[in-house]
Amino acid sequence: GEDVEQSLFLSVREGDSSVINCTYTDSSSTYLYWYKQEPGAGLQLLTYIFSNMDMKQDQRLTVLLNKKDKHLSLRIADTQTGDSAIYFCAETLFNDYKLSFGAGTTVTVRA
Amino acid sequence: GAVVSQHPSRVICKSGTSVKIECRSLDFQATTMFWYRQFPKQSLMLMATSNEGSKATYEQGVEKDKFLINHASLTLSTLTVTSAHPEDSSFYICSAPNPSGGNEQFFGPGTRLTVL
Repeated sequence: GEDVEQSLFLSVREGDSSVINCTYTDSSSTYLYWYKQEPGAGLQLLTYIFSNMDMKQDQRLTVLLNKKDKHLSLRIADTQTGDSAIYFCAETLFNDYKLSFGAGTTVTVRA
Repeated sequence: GAVVSQHPSRVICKSGTSVKIECRSLDFQATTMFWYRQFPKQSLMLMATSNEGSKATYEQGVEKDKFLINHASLTLSTLTVTSAHPEDSSFYICSAPNPSGGNEQFFGPGTRLTVL
């Protein structure tokens, strides 16, 4: 959707960190998600953050949320070739299962 | 986590025929499921919310007579693309909410529909 925006492409060298950015417009967003989609496959939930949090870390993944600027980022440390995929950010509103997705960022990891 | 399956994973059909896609929650019950459509290199667009025991709720611009949804049981929702045309070719993905609560959804692996 048009309410969630992402940059479309990111190229990163193996071993470096990747940072994928996302902006959203609905200030009522409650949960913000990062999904990973490999070619020809469905979506895999990587992580999510509740809107009253600033940061969440899960192994190589770090999510930062700037609620004032409505900006969400996903940092992948020590990026590997298996991290090549499309990454979608998404939001839901309180008590609503409907997900609004960004267009997805294609991450390419080069050796 | 909970598993959602879809069948078939790929289907090729002739223009004018109807195609049924199944979405199953394998180890949990889902009174609600969601159907998304994804065009190449684009985001997922929610088509409809499938409700067990009642009619599906369609998003604006989605033809309910074209995309028939039946939530036959607590573990099965079907999407039938009727009188398919080449412009219906797309990747269709279903999801079901986390049965343990929260806002998480579990996604099926998707179905690639190609209409010749």
